[in-house]
Amino acid sequence: GESVGLHLPTLSVQEGDNSIINCAYSNSASDYFIWYKQESGKGPQFIIDIRSNMDKRQGQRVTVLLNKTVKHLSLQIAATQPGDSAVYFCAETSGGGADGLTFGKGTHLIIQP
Amino acid sequence: EPEVTQTPSHQVTQMGQEVILRCVPISNHLYFYWYRQILGQKVEFLVSFYNNEISEKSEIFDDQFSVERPDGSNFTLKIRSTKLEDSAMYFCASSALTLNTEAFFGQGTRLTVV
Repeated sequence: GESVGLHLPTLSVQEGDNSIINCAYSNSASDYFIWYKQESGKGPQFIIDIRSNMDKRQGQRVTVLLNKTVKHLSLQIAATQPGDSAVYFCAETSGGGADGLTFGKGTHLIIQP
Repeated sequence: EPEVTQTPSHQVTQMGQEVILRCVPISNHLYFYWYRQILGQKVEFLVSFYNNEISEKSEIFDDQFSVERPDGSNFTLKIRSTKLEDSAMYFCASSALTLNTEAFFGQGTRLTVV
């Protein structure tokens, strides 16, 4: 079946370094993608989104890249900080707002001092 | 900053009992959602709700589940006869507009069925 998934379950980076978290999706109808951050015991927190008519979007210290040709999504976090340690999920939908999000399995980002 | 609030934060119930999980979505939002997350697993979509009716539901959302917006602010998820496998974090979310916009999540209710 179609699914959204993440390549690496755990990513460990040094504080101050940049990190890249990857996500592959298989639903060719997906047209909206979101990255969420989830800290232990909390709900998913919106980080950044991108629509299918774009291939790059930047926020504060974060950049999302979308490659529709290979159905790949990535989240780049610049100058990582201890507070960036969390599980990161990509999510997608192909609906117009009524459809629920399909989440990937999550990548646990660990920032080492 | 507006936020989605959920109560209770933790609910323990006996198998076979009914539970109601409560959510107050962000006030000007139009779409409401319930998701669940079994411990250590990914977040799974349950149901979306718009204009006082279910818009979409997943396979998980069977006849044991129901949702309701009893007034202008609350959005509830009812599980009629809980099973052990219903134990999970349940997240409520809301989004503002009809076209793909970010969904804001609450902090979740941890449901433990014993």
